[in-house]
This record gives sequence, C-alpha cells and structure tokens, in this order.
Amino acid sequence: EPEVTQTPSHQVTQMGQEVILRCVPISNHLYFYWYRQILGQKVEFLVSFYNNEISEKSEIFDDQFSVERPDGSNFTLKIRSTKLEDSAMYFCASSRQPDTQYFGPGTRLTVL
Amino acid sequence: GESVGLHLPTLSVQEGDNSIINCAYSNSASDYFIWYKQESGKGPQFIIDIRSNMDKRQGQRVTVLLNKTVKHLSLQIAATQPGDSAVYFCAEKMNRDDKIIFGKGTRLHILP
Repeated sequence: EPEVTQTPSHQVTQMGQEVILRCVPISNHLYFYWYRQILGQKVEFLVSFYNNEISEKSEIFDDQFSVERPDGSNFTLKIRSTKLEDSAMYFCASSRQPDTQYFGPGTRLTVL
Repeated sequence: GESVGLHLPTLSVQEGDNSIINCAYSNSASDYFIWYKQESGKGPQFIIDIRSNMDKRQGQRVTVLLNKTVKHLSLQIAATQPGDSAVYFCAEKMNRDDKIIFGKGTRLHILP
C-alpha cells in the first residue's frame, strides 16, 4: 500500500539555523500538507499546497516558513531561522481529493 | 470558535471487549469527520471517516457514529486487540477549508 515518506526521521539543529524537511507524498495525490505536533499537544495545521501554490496556511506559518515542490515527487518544508519553539514533530500529508489526508511518519525537529 | 475536544484522556479496556471513544465538536458547520490512530513515534493513521449527511459508518471492526443534534462523534472498536493500543484523535474539516482540525486525543490501553 502506498505511503507518505519523510526524511530525516530526526533532525537536530542550532537555534538560528535553516532546516529543510523532506516528504515524498503518495504518487497520484494532488494535495499536500504540513502539520506539526508539539510534544503532548494536538496536531496543528501549518499549510496546504495544490497546483504548485499555497492554498491555505495557518497563523503559525509565518515568513520563516516556506514550502516547495522542487520536482514531481518531493515536497519540502523550510524553516529559515529556527527558534526553540519550533521543536516539534512535523508531519507531511497528502490526499487525492481535498478530504481524506494520509500522513507520513513525521520528522522530529529538535532546536538547541 | 473552532474546537474539537475529547471527553476522556485515557481509556482502559480488556482485550476482546468492545471500546467506545467519544468526541465533542463545537463547529456545527463541519462537513467531514475523521478518526485517526497514532502509535508511539508514528504519524496519524487514518481509520475511518464520515460525512455530515450520514449518522453511521462501519469499517472492519470499527464503527463511527455521528450525532449532529448534540455535536457528538464516537468511535467503536469491536473485539479489541493489543495492537489497538494507541492515541485516538477525532478531527473535523469544513469543505471550504483544506485544514483538518484535530482534537487532543484519547489514549486507549488494551489490558491483557
């Protein structure tokens, strides 16, 4: 069964550094998403991406965040200058239609 | 405002018994509801969904019930197995939005 994959599984970075989290969505899906989950808290929506542009974003997704689909298979989330409070699990998701979203295993980001 | 909440943070069930996980939602405009299962260190795994024009949907060993009158959603798991131990999230979505709004989660313990 096709799955969303994410790399790396764990990323450790220093505050102020840039990080890029990578995702390979399910191949025939057209809608792509990033969510995050701070330890012990709810999963929170960050951004959705369709037809090569952002279709919706949350208040969390400020100018420090960006997304890109650099080729036909990858979908990336970049954080330009990481802060301590960016430490969280980041989940990529994809869907064929804008409803049932399938999530990847996540990248644990630790900002020191 | 938008919120999805769960009545109980932890539920313990004897293996083989049926379990019911409950969820209250406040946004009567939500069109679509989803249950996700999250095992430790993994991403949310889609279990079952239901649209607002339905009140019941069955899957393999799982049933979702939707009561729009009292804005209540439940997940029934029949004949629970050790592998059912996880955190279960209810989530909601409006057709006009891309984002899924997650609740806080209920931890289900399956007792041997």
